[in-house]
Amino acid sequence: QKEVEQDPGPLSVPEGAIVSLNCTYSNSAFQYFMWYRQYSRKGPELLMYTYSSGNKEDGRFTAQVDKSSKYISLFIRDSQPSDSATYLCAMKDYGQNFVFGPGTRLSVLP
Amino acid sequence: NAGVTQTPKFQVLKTGQSMTLQCAQDMNHEYMSWYRQDPGMGLRLIHYSVGAGITDQGEVPNGYNVSRSTTEDFPLRLLSAAPSQTSVYFCASSYSRQGVYEQYFGPGTRLTVT
Repeated sequence: QKEVEQDPGPLSVPEGAIVSLNCTYSNSAFQYFMWYRQYSRKGPELLMYTYSSGNKEDGRFTAQVDKSSKYISLFIRDSQPSDSATYLCAMKDYGQNFVFGPGTRLSVLP
Repeated sequence: NAGVTQTPKFQVLKTGQSMTLQCAQDMNHEYMSWYRQDPGMGLRLIHYSVGAGITDQGEVPNGYNVSRSTTEDFPLRLLSAAPSQTSVYFCASSYSRQGVYEQYFGPGTRLTVT
């Protein structure tokens, strides 16, 4: 079993839809949870960052962490064609290293 | 402020050749790392460094060497290229502040080994 699992998609939604992206993990030591967005042929860029359990909102994006279920989610409201990208979840414990999920490819159709 | 830069953008090697992928950052970050990204595998850590003169192995270090003589530069050396090293390579630098860790990635190097 991989340490971090993520549905690879691809996921296609119409413009304006609410998108839900999810990751599950097995290491209970993970404390920091991140979502990265990666456009085609570009490096990943940090989108959302959450420490421990709870919700965090930033504009159209909401990140949720449920440590009891080892499950994290990213919600995108009013999705736009410009949101079309691959979304990577990442996690770390109190050490320095990040562990990434394989990514979910999202297409938002106009 | 250029962030994280990587050269070259593309490279084709023959099996057995060696080369160095360059990475530089101008943000004065102590922590730098190299990842490879393969379809369906996500980003896997090759080597990392917590400061000049200090390096350590990640998840997939075999066939790669690193050194860190300055804070700014973190080159990745392929000793004897193999087709299994065909991948996209990303360099990243990160910092922590008040418990927040932010990692910045370079644009990547696409390597093909024939």
